This record gives sequence, C-alpha cells and structure tokens, in this order.
Amino acid sequence: KAGVTQTPRYLIKTRGQQVTLSCSPISGHRSVSWYQQTPGQGLQFLFEYFSETQRNKGNFPGRFSGRQFSNSRSEMNVSTLELGDSALYLCASSLVYSSLSEQYFGPGTRLTVT
Amino acid sequence: GENVEQHPSTLSVQEGDSAVIKCTYSDSASNYFPWYKQELGKRPQLIIDIRSNVGEKKDQRIAVTLNKTAKHFSLHITETQPEDSAVYFCAASKSGTASKLTFGTGTRLQVTL
Repeated sequence: KAGVTQTPRYLIKTRGQQVTLSCSPISGHRSVSWYQQTPGQGLQFLFEYFSETQRNKGNFPGRFSGRQFSNSRSEMNVSTLELGDSALYLCASSLVYSSLSEQYFGPGTRLTVT
Repeated sequence: GENVEQHPSTLSVQEGDSAVIKCTYSDSASNYFPWYKQELGKRPQLIIDIRSNVGEKKDQRIAVTLNKTAKHFSLHITETQPEDSAVYFCAASKSGTASKLTFGTGTRLQVTL
C-alpha cells in the first residue's frame, strides 16, 4: 500500500504571495491532519479534516486554511505569506477520526518564503 | 490545552547501551501516546505507541511505559545501534480532539561506535 504523498516537495515563494499544498492519504484513510515543523517551534498542529469537514484547528491565523475532497485528498492554503511561514509542512493520515488512530506522515513540503 | 514536555533534548550513548527518553503530559484526558523517529531530511516515522489502558508495550528492541497517575511515559531502546541515531518525538492526543497530536520538543539521539 502506498504511503502518504505530498506535492510539491519544495517551494520558494515571496512575501505576500499565496501557496497551496497537496496531500494524498494512504488508500482507505479518511482523516488528514496538517502540521508545521520549524526548528524553533517544533511540530505544531494546524488542522484536521474528516469527511470533508474541518474537525479541529490549531492556534494559527486565518491565513492558514484547508479543505478535503470526497476522495480524502486534502489541500492547505496559506495566503499573504510571511517570512515566518518558512517551514516544513507535514500532513498525516489516519484510518478513522479517533484519538486512538495511528497517524502516518507524508514526506512534507519544504516552503521557503523570501 | 495539552502540554508535552520531553527530556533530554540530546542524548549520546555508545553502541550496545540502552537509551531512555522521558515525556510528561498535562491533560489527564490524554489517551494515546505515540513515538516518532525522524531521521535527517525524512518524515517522522511511527515506531511505537501506547494507549491509556496499557502500562507497557514492547516491540523487539523498543518499549514504551506509561504511568497515568504521574502523567508520564517513556521510550526505552535497548542494544542501540548506529541506525538508531535520529530525533525522537513523543506526542499525546485525547478523545474529543481526535487526531490532534501535541508533540514534545524532540530528543536528538546519537549512537556512537
């Protein structure tokens, strides 16, 4: 079974631009979560989607948004990029919407904002 | 909200020795505690997890223990090998916020020959 995939793997954007990142979960997995990883803040939860609905949201500004499609694929969007948005963005998929469900991470998208 | 503290931040052991990484959590409602290994430039990889109804779980050279009363859990790696060198993250989640994992700050483990 193929793992979680993310596209693109690397991205360079300029301040003020917007960006869309894509995540395809493991086949059969219905829940997708997004995390931001930075050296200073570590791994921080952005949001979680299940059945095309955002179920949980972390402490990030409204510039960060996402959505999930009927095939469970998910996208996240960051508008009006700031230098501090430079990070590794990881998505993780799990089989069901449950705190007890194992999560598997994708390889991440490395976003650099200049 | 949930807070997870992880110690030590760096750990150096000789090959063959054991390594122990400890985490404490703040929310007594947390019920799932996974551990992830992240090698340089790679994705976090789930290596073992434990649920709140279990006190200990073992998988070959790695084991995790959970003390719900003290709200702490630990990762134990025995007979360490150079390929165990990586950053290890503990995490916690709780019923009600489903897959939202709160991560510790990571432990960089270096296994020397």
